[in-house]
Amino acid sequence: KQEVTQIPAALSVPEGENLVLNCSFTDSAIYNLQWFRQDPGKGLTSLLLIQSSQREQTSGRLNASLDKSSGRSTLYIAASQPGDSATYLCAVRYNQGGKLIFGQGTELSVKP
Amino acid sequence: DAGVIQSPRHEVTEMGQEVTLRCKPISGHDYLFWYRQTMMRGLELLIYFNNNVPIDDSGMPEDRFSAKMPNASFSTLKIQPSEPRDSAVYFCASSLGQVGSYIQYFGAGTRLSVL
Repeated sequence: KQEVTQIPAALSVPEGENLVLNCSFTDSAIYNLQWFRQDPGKGLTSLLLIQSSQREQTSGRLNASLDKSSGRSTLYIAASQPGDSATYLCAVRYNQGGKLIFGQGTELSVKP
Repeated sequence: DAGVIQSPRHEVTEMGQEVTLRCKPISGHDYLFWYRQTMMRGLELLIYFNNNVPIDDSGMPEDRFSAKMPNASFSTLKIQPSEPRDSAVYFCASSLGQVGSYIQYFGAGTRLSVL
C-alpha cells in the first residue's frame, strides 16, 4: 500500500530557528513530490515541487530535498518567522495522472 | 486569475438532505480534483477528472456521493442523502497537467456540517 508519513505531527520553535520537517513514503517509484502549506480554515498553497529526477528545490527560505532510494523528503525552513506558523503537508504522485497521496501534515508553531 | 473558486464556503444541513458543492477551476486547467479533509483521516482524494472525464473515482465513499463535470469551467459534488459522518471540509483543486508539472492549486474549501 502506498502511504506517506510525516514526522513530527507538531513542532514548536522560537523565532529565528532553522528547522526540518520530514516526509517518508513507502513506495519509492514516485513521479514527483509536492510540499504544501495550509493555514487554519484555508485551502492548501503549493510551496515546492520536486521531480523524481531532482535532488532538491529552493524557494526563498525554503529548501526541499528528495532521496528516492530511502523514500524520504525533507523541507528545510531557514530563519523561521511567526508567519511561517501553519500546517505543512507532503504529497506524493506516482504517475502522470495527477493523483496525490498526502501525509497527515506537521503543524508548525513559531513563537515570537 | 481568481484561482479555484468553491461555493458555498459553509453549508449546514440536516441528515437526509441533498447537498451540492460547486467548483470553478482555474481557466485552462485540464485536471480537476475533489478532496475531503477530516481530523481522523486527513486529506483524501474522492475523484478526479481529466478534460471533463472522470479518471479515478475509487475514493468516492459510496453511492450517496456523485460528481459531475459538464464543462471545463464547472464541477459539482453531490451527496444524497447526507449523513452526519459526511461532515468535513471538501476541497476542489485544479492543475495544468504535464505542461504545469501537475502542480495542484486548491480552492478555499467548503465546510460541511450535517446535523
